[in-house]
Amino acid sequence: DADVTQTPRNRITKTGKRIMLECSQTKGHDRMYWYRQDPGLGLRLIYYSFDVKDINKGEISDGYSVSRQAQAKFSLSLESAIPNQTALYFCATSDPRQSGAYEQYFGPGTRLTVT
Amino acid sequence: AQKITQTQPGMFVQEKEAVTLDCTYDTSDQSYGLFWYKQPSSGEMIFLIYQGSYDEQNATEGRYSLNFQKARKSANLVISASQLGDSAMYFCAMREGSNDYKLSFGAGTTVTVRA
Repeated sequence: DADVTQTPRNRITKTGKRIMLECSQTKGHDRMYWYRQDPGLGLRLIYYSFDVKDINKGEISDGYSVSRQAQAKFSLSLESAIPNQTALYFCATSDPRQSGAYEQYFGPGTRLTVT
Repeated sequence: AQKITQTQPGMFVQEKEAVTLDCTYDTSDQSYGLFWYKQPSSGEMIFLIYQGSYDEQNATEGRYSLNFQKARKSANLVISASQLGDSAMYFCAMREGSNDYKLSFGAGTTVTVRA
């Protein structure tokens, strides 16, 4: 089984709809992140969380919200989806106690299309 | 200002040859880390290699090596003996400081390995 899972894997939604992307991990990591990937821009950080009580905005948090329901679960919500939120969304985890490199481990991604 | 710059949008390489992917970075921190990730056409992000700013030796992982030139602020990835399965997009990323809460990614380089 994958260590970091994301649901759904693909989603098409209409402008103005609320949508939630979910992420679960079995790695036991404390830190979780949400990124979006757009062609030619690489990945950009939306939100990150150090634990269930510590949630922080990334560089592009406008239009998004998150919830850390448990150490293993981190959800991303688009309150009112707009077409320029069409992108590939990644969840990632890390734990510096487990690796001196602090590398992040990514889920398989959710491809979101807003029409 | 762009923290990570990858100037090669796309590259072709012959099978069994080596290829170098360029990455330059911008930071004023003394402690930082540099990462390379691979994204095949299936979309997942795969961690390849890590170089810490205080590491004196260039990092190596199998056929991957990181040519770290600190004074030039460059962290080029070298893939030796290219294989068809190396065809993918490659991202350079940086963690600044000793806190891993954020990775800054470059725009990526697409590598196509020809038989």
